[in-house]
Parts: sequence; C-alpha cells; structure tokens
Amino acid sequence: KQEVTQIPAALSVPEGENLVLNCSFTDSAIYNLQWFRQDPGKGLTSLLLIQSSQREQTSGRLNASLDKSSGRSTLYIAASQPGDSATYLCAVTGSARQLTFGSGTQLTVLP
Amino acid sequence: DVKVTQSSRYLVKRTGEKVFLECVQDMDHENMFWYRQDPGLGLRLIYFSYDVKMKEKGDIPEGYSVSREKKERFSLILESASTNQTSMYLCASSRPAERGFFGQGTRLTVV
Repeated sequence: KQEVTQIPAALSVPEGENLVLNCSFTDSAIYNLQWFRQDPGKGLTSLLLIQSSQREQTSGRLNASLDKSSGRSTLYIAASQPGDSATYLCAVTGSARQLTFGSGTQLTVLP
Repeated sequence: DVKVTQSSRYLVKRTGEKVFLECVQDMDHENMFWYRQDPGLGLRLIYFSYDVKMKEKGDIPEGYSVSREKKERFSLILESASTNQTSMYLCASSRPAERGFFGQGTRLTVV
C-alpha cells in the first residue's frame, strides 16, 4: 500500500526566505504527483502537477521536482510572503487511479 | 475555471439519520472522489468513481455508500450517521492523470 510522508510537519520562516518542503512515497509506480495548498477550513487548491515522466514543474515562485526512482519530491518556494501561509499537501496517483495524500506541512511566514 | 460545488458548508445531523452529501462538477470530468479529513489522520479516501454508475471503494468505505447517476454529480450517503462520522468531507474531480479539483468542503457534525 502506498504511503506518503511529508517533512517537516510544521515550518515557520521570516518573510523573504526561500524554503523547501519535502515529500516521499514508498511505491514508485505512480502516474503523477501533485502539490496542493489548503487554507484553514477550506478545500484544496492544486498548485503543481508533475507527470511521472517529468522531473520538475514551475509556476511563478513555486518549483516542484520529482525523483521517481528514489520516491521523493520537493516543493521550493522562493521569496516567501505572509500570504503563502497555509498547509501544503503532496499526493500521488497510483495504478488504482486514486490520490494518496501525505499529512501535510503547515507553513507560517512571519511578516 | 473548474468548479466543484458541495451542497453544504456546514451540516448538523442526529445519530441514526440518513445523510446525503452532494457534489457537482461542471467540467465533464470522468473521475470523482469523496475524502474525509480529520486532524492527525489527514485525507482518507472513502469512495471514488471513474464513470457514471461506477464506484470503487477507497480506504474507509464502511458506513458509507455513493451514487453516481449523472456524470456531473457524485453523492455520498451516510446510511445511519454516527458520532465517529463527524468530520470534514471533501469532494474532488479530475480527468484521468490530470489535476484534481476540490470543493470547499462540508463540515459535518453528528450529535
């Protein structure tokens, strides 16, 4: 059974810092990996999707990488802002077509 | 923009009631999912569907059923609500191997 782990569980940084969130998964037979953002009490917003054949995807200040063979992904956030404060979740799509989620990293960016 | 709409943001039901949670998407997505999210347990898949009238059990289907009579609508049914089903319920839709789009969530309290 696929397991997804995110480290750290919580992270607090001053505004302007660059930061990296980590995600690892146990079964490398995935179709894709997604990074989501969740604000308190709200649904999830998809930030980036990396197909299994890709190595990275970029959107604005966000860059996500995927190393399928080692079962790892990172989300890099450049020049963090207080508005980036949220919980970030990674999820992988496996052969059963379903998304398996990590438990998330709660990010706080201090003004 | 894709819109996934859940029928209620907040719901309070009594133990033993039959509860219907409705989800509608407007982008002709084949795949639809129901998750519940609990502190410390993350998102767990209840059921998913990849076509009309098709359904697959997720990780925690016990106590739930689903209905997908039309492509745009995926209903989650709690046959006899219990207090341990108090949770945030999230619906999602996607095309195969593409980004997932989530609704805003329904916070269900069973008393």
